[in-house]
Amino acid sequence: QVQLVQSGAEVKKPGASVKVSCKASGYTFTNYYMHWVRQAPGQGLEWMGIINPSGGSTSYAQKFQGRVTMTRDTSTSTVYMELSSLRSEDTAVYYCARMPKDYYYMDVWGKGTTVTASS
Amino acid sequence: EIVLTQSPATLSLSPGERATLSCRASQSVSSYLAWYQQKPGQAPRLLIYDASNRATGIPARFSGSGSGTDFTLTISSLEPEDFAVYYCQQRSNWPPGGFWTFGQGTKVEIK
Repeated sequence: QVQLVQSGAEVKKPGASVKVSCKASGYTFTNYYMHWVRQAPGQGLEWMGIINPSGGSTSYAQKFQGRVTMTRDTSTSTVYMELSSLRSEDTAVYYCARMPKDYYYMDVWGKGTTVTASS
Repeated sequence: EIVLTQSPATLSLSPGERATLSCRASQSVSSYLAWYQQKPGQAPRLLIYDASNRATGIPARFSGSGSGTDFTLTISSLEPEDFAVYYCQQRSNWPPGGFWTFGQGTKVEIK
């Protein structure tokens, strides 16, 4: 079955970087785009960016430009999201979510990775 | 940037009642609107896409309607498992590369 398996929880100090992975299975990896969406404690959903696993092209929300990098490894069907210069406000659950090409909605989601930025 | 505004923020209802959730866009999104359900400690789940199409495996009690700027998610008769937070979502074509936004959510709670 289609699955997105994310890496485990992370605790980082402010100013550090974190890299979260999302391993896809059960479908052709390069036929779907992948989004990253985060959710701070008690808050709503915030879109961070998107990557095309086929060519590796990316588009990031302006808020995260310069701090976020999304990459992929087609040999392992894995996408990565790295966020640098962490601050306490980056404490959140980070989700990867699949999007069918030529569409706009996210049809399969990972379970989420909790990132805590705290001194 | 298109802003999605959901109302009400909280809806207090009893099992068996009808739930009507609203999502308003700051400019027309045609029918390109999706709805998601999120339960505590879980990832969101796609319910509706293109304003009115149910995603795979979604029960018929969930229905969506609307186009342009005004959209509605209706749950015809609330089941205990339907008490959750619901988000609407759309995509803007600007800036280049696209920009995806979510509404702030409507919590459906047990009265």
